[in-house]
Amino acid sequence: KAGVTQTPRYLIKTRGQQVTLSCSPISGHRSVSWYQQTPGQGLQFLFEYFSETQRNKGNFPGRFSGRQFSNSRSEMNVSTLELGDSALYLCASNTQLNTGELFFGEGSRLTVL
Amino acid sequence: SQQGEEDPQALSIQEGENATMNCSYKTSINNLQWYRQNSGRGLVHLILIRSNEREKHSGRLRVTLDTSKKSSSLLITASRAADTASYFCATDDTGNQFYFGTGTSLTVIP
Repeated sequence: KAGVTQTPRYLIKTRGQQVTLSCSPISGHRSVSWYQQTPGQGLQFLFEYFSETQRNKGNFPGRFSGRQFSNSRSEMNVSTLELGDSALYLCASNTQLNTGELFFGEGSRLTVL
Repeated sequence: SQQGEEDPQALSIQEGENATMNCSYKTSINNLQWYRQNSGRGLVHLILIRSNEREKHSGRLRVTLDTSKKSSSLLITASRAADTASYFCATDDTGNQFYFGTGTSLTVIP
């Protein structure tokens, strides 16, 4: 069974631009959650989707948004990028409503210049 | 915030020694999990302990949970160089959301 796939793995953007990251969960997993990881900050929860509905949202500004498609694939978008958005963005999937074991992708490393 | 905190932030030991790291959290939980992250990679699930369990084993891993103190510990016995990684605890509550700590960076010296 294929694992969680995130694309792109690495990307460089400049301030003010926008970026879209993609996450394909494990087949059969309907819950997808996103995390931002920066040095010293641990993993900060962004949002979680289940069956195309956003169930939970973390404490991030409205520039961060996401969606989930009918095939459970998810995207997150960050508009008007700031230097502080440079981070590793991790996607995780699991079978239920964000309980039980999370399966993580390798992440998308975003650098904002 | 229910975010957990791991202690110590960094730990360096010799191969063959045991490594112990601790996690504290703030509110009631359903489960507590431990994850490992190799540098710049995704997290890998290690073990889950439910709120009504006190101890759990998996291979060289032993996890304890003390809900009265809102704390957990992860013990890695007979450590290997390949255990070098960051370790995170994660809790989930009835709100269907996970909360991760800031991690313990473990270095095992061959």
